[in-house]
Amino acid sequence: EAGVAQSPRYKIIEKRQSVAFWCNPISGHATLYWYQQILGQGPKLLIQFQNNGVVDDSQLPKDRFSAERLKGVDSTLKIQPAKLEDSAVYLCASSLLQGAAPYGYTFGSGTRLTVV
Amino acid sequence: GENVEQHPSTLSVQEGDSAVIKCTYSDSASNYFPWYKQELGKRPQLIIDIRSNVGEKKDQRIAVTLNKTAKHFSLHITETQPEDSAVYFCAASLTNAGKSTFGDGTTLTVKP
Repeated sequence: EAGVAQSPRYKIIEKRQSVAFWCNPISGHATLYWYQQILGQGPKLLIQFQNNGVVDDSQLPKDRFSAERLKGVDSTLKIQPAKLEDSAVYLCASSLLQGAAPYGYTFGSGTRLTVV
Repeated sequence: GENVEQHPSTLSVQEGDSAVIKCTYSDSASNYFPWYKQELGKRPQLIIDIRSNVGEKKDQRIAVTLNKTAKHFSLHITETQPEDSAVYFCAASLTNAGKSTFGDGTTLTVKP
């Protein structure tokens, strides 16, 4: 099966600029997650979608981050304006259905963001 | 919310030796514990998982043990090989919530 697709793979922007990341989950996966992975740390959840509805965005810095999942398939994550501390790898993951086995994620390759 | 601590942060072993990575979690309601392997520059990949109704699970050279009373779980890799070198992440989650809380990772180096 095709994996989770993410683009771009790399992005370098200046602080205060805006940036957007795109994710296409595995076909049929209802649940989609965006995680932020800062160098040397584990992934931290930003937002969780079930179909096109937000399940959990409690850790999303809403003053600068936004995400949407129109039509319950692709998702975009936006940062505006970016700060230096946003430099990280942004991982998209999907799973079949929240609350149903199998529970593990399939991750995309991530977008490495560098804010200078 | 859930908090997961992982130890050690780095681990170096000789090829053929065993490696053990330990994690503790804080939320007693967590009932699903996956382990992910992340090679340099690549995506995390699920290598083994365990649910709270099971104490141990094996898959060839890797095994995971869970102690719900103590709220800790461990990854055991036997007969390590150089290709086992990677960063390993543990995670804890509540299956009906879907999201996982990750540890900060263990960098395993297997020396030939």
